Amino acid sequence: SQQGEEDPQALSIQEGENATMNCSYKTSINNLQWYRQNSGRGLVHLILIRSNEREKHSGRLRVTLDTSKKSSSLLITASRAADTASYFCAAEGQFYFGTGTSLTVIP
Amino acid sequence: DAGVIQSPRHEVTEMGQEVTLRCKPISGHNSLFWYRQTMMRGLELLIYFNNNVPIDDSGMPEDRFSAKMPNASFSTLKIQPSEPRDSAVYFCASSKDRFLEQYFGPGTRLTVT
Repeated sequence: SQQGEEDPQALSIQEGENATMNCSYKTSINNLQWYRQNSGRGLVHLILIRSNEREKHSGRLRVTLDTSKKSSSLLITASRAADTASYFCAAEGQFYFGTGTSLTVIP
Repeated sequence: DAGVIQSPRHEVTEMGQEVTLRCKPISGHNSLFWYRQTMMRGLELLIYFNNNVPIDDSGMPEDRFSAKMPNASFSTLKIQPSEPRDSAVYFCASSKDRFLEQYFGPGTRLTVT
């Protein structure tokens, strides 16, 4: 079964606004990871959150994990044009990245 | 470290030809993954190796695709014969542990005409 389905598929915001992306998965996991992909490049790992963590921060990124709902969210605060990219989640050991959320930050 | 290295970066070939994509993982990483990315299907896992042994090849589309990892520092993905529907970007990634973060190469953009 597919894991790591992102929502929404596309998101367009103004620079300075916050961007929230969601991810759902199907089976129990020990961790979940978020990645970013700039156009024409490979994925870059952003953050890993473990199943015993509810929230994790890294710079302007905030990730939450709700294991009861099998969902995670990625919040990018004070977005910048350089944040324009596709964002993917990957449930531990599942290796399915789907189509991601395409984020466009308008200067 | 130079990161994951893939070659070639671009490949244009005619239908029916054999295509070989190459990957050098990060030194010390035990797991290696091959993915294919298209607009329609997103990023799909084709196969992954752990300690040079193929663990899951259920994503390999058909017998035309084969992958090898003869040693810890090299892997190939071969398509023979190639078809236009194989056109995609192929990524190789490696990780210290298959359950931890993966490091992706720059990808090989394959066009089959």
